[in-house]
Amino acid sequence: GQQVMQIPQYQHVQEGEDFTTYCNSSTTLSNIQWYKQRPGGHPVFLIQLVKSGEVKKQKRLTFQFGEAKKNSSLHITATQTTDVGTYFCPISNAGGTSYGKLTFGQGTILTVHP
Amino acid sequence: DGGITQSPKYLFRKEGQNVTLSCEQNLNHDAMYWYRQDPGQGLRLIYYSQIVNDFQKGDIAEGYSVSREKKESFPLTVTSAQKNPTAFYLCASGGLTNYGYTFGSGTRLTVV
Repeated sequence: GQQVMQIPQYQHVQEGEDFTTYCNSSTTLSNIQWYKQRPGGHPVFLIQLVKSGEVKKQKRLTFQFGEAKKNSSLHITATQTTDVGTYFCPISNAGGTSYGKLTFGQGTILTVHP
Repeated sequence: DGGITQSPKYLFRKEGQNVTLSCEQNLNHDAMYWYRQDPGQGLRLIYYSQIVNDFQKGDIAEGYSVSREKKESFPLTVTSAQKNPTAFYLCASGGLTNYGYTFGSGTRLTVV
């Protein structure tokens, strides 16, 4: 089945520094989603990217979907301690009227030092 | 407010006992999912259901069972056949939109 590799596995930054995590697939994706899971919490949906080359912004977060739809990135500008958590980019096998299922990788664990 | 409720938040069981985790949603979502998460790991799919009275095995279904008798409810039973049941269990639901999955707050199961 489809799998996605996410790098880095861990990232430690000083508050105020930028952070980027990357997701790479060997196959073309129909879409990719991003979730954030705070320590001890549950994953929360951030965004879905569907179109080739798509760029979406949410305040300090910028999400990109590659032109070939095989990779995606999440960039956080000027990290804050509230950004701490694990960021996942699961991929879906959904198509048409099918709900499909999400396959999660290991995610990137971000720690921010104040 | 619409959402997913998982109960209990923490659960302790003795080895060899079956245990059922509850998951209820009022989002009117057709699809529901059960994931397992081990410390420092990603989520692995146990079972999922896209319609009432139907469900499919995920990647790690052995030792687990589910039922989907109502659209709102998708309980998961962890049986004594599951070799390493201690984990964080997450229930999710999703609809045919681009709003992603909604997750419950999870149940932490400890088997001693």
